Amino acid sequence: GIQVEQSPPDLILQEGANSTLRCNFSDSVNNLQWFHQNPWGQLINLFYIPSGTKQNGRLSATTVATERYSLLYISSSQTTDSGVYFCAVLPKGGGNKLTFGTGTQLKVEL
Amino acid sequence: GAVVSQHPSRVICKSGTSVKIECRSLDFQATTMFWYRQFPKQSLMLMATSNEGSKATYEQGVEKDKFLINHASLTLSTLTVTSAHPEDSSFYICSARETTGDGYGYTFGSGTRLTVV
Repeated sequence: GIQVEQSPPDLILQEGANSTLRCNFSDSVNNLQWFHQNPWGQLINLFYIPSGTKQNGRLSATTVATERYSLLYISSSQTTDSGVYFCAVLPKGGGNKLTFGTGTQLKVEL
Repeated sequence: GAVVSQHPSRVICKSGTSVKIECRSLDFQATTMFWYRQFPKQSLMLMATSNEGSKATYEQGVEKDKFLINHASLTLSTLTVTSAHPEDSSFYICSARETTGDGYGYTFGSGTRLTVV
């Protein structure tokens, strides 16, 4: 099946810093989403972005489907950004089952 | 936007008992829902796909007799962990996909933390 790798696995930032999270996938996809899992376990949908670029406040995401990667940018990070960030993909020809990436654990410190 | 409600959020049960977890789509109909399991510091792993009005399809290695799934209506799927044992302790999350509007994305419930003692 499709492999979805995220980097870095862990990241510690000072409040106010910027960061880029990467998601690489091994095959073509119909759907790609970025999620933030907060400390209570809730998965919050950040972006639905199978291709192109989207922005929402301090967050933006870019997916280059032809090169099989997606990037999530976090600017002016805040302590509330802490948690785990997952990308998840729907492989082409893979029905309707999302495959999750390995995740990036982010901690933003004062 | 699409909302998926999951209940209970936390449950502690004795070994050998059964636990039922509910997943509801609040503002859309979902012919298909999905159940995931997440161990500490790991990613989400799909357990099964719940299909309204028909049998669930389980991923390889998931015991269908232990994890009973019922999808009796277009807005409700339930996961029952039968004869629970401590190794079943985990975080269980459901999701559904809204296929109208602009999104076509998946929405997740808030999860259920199961502890079997």
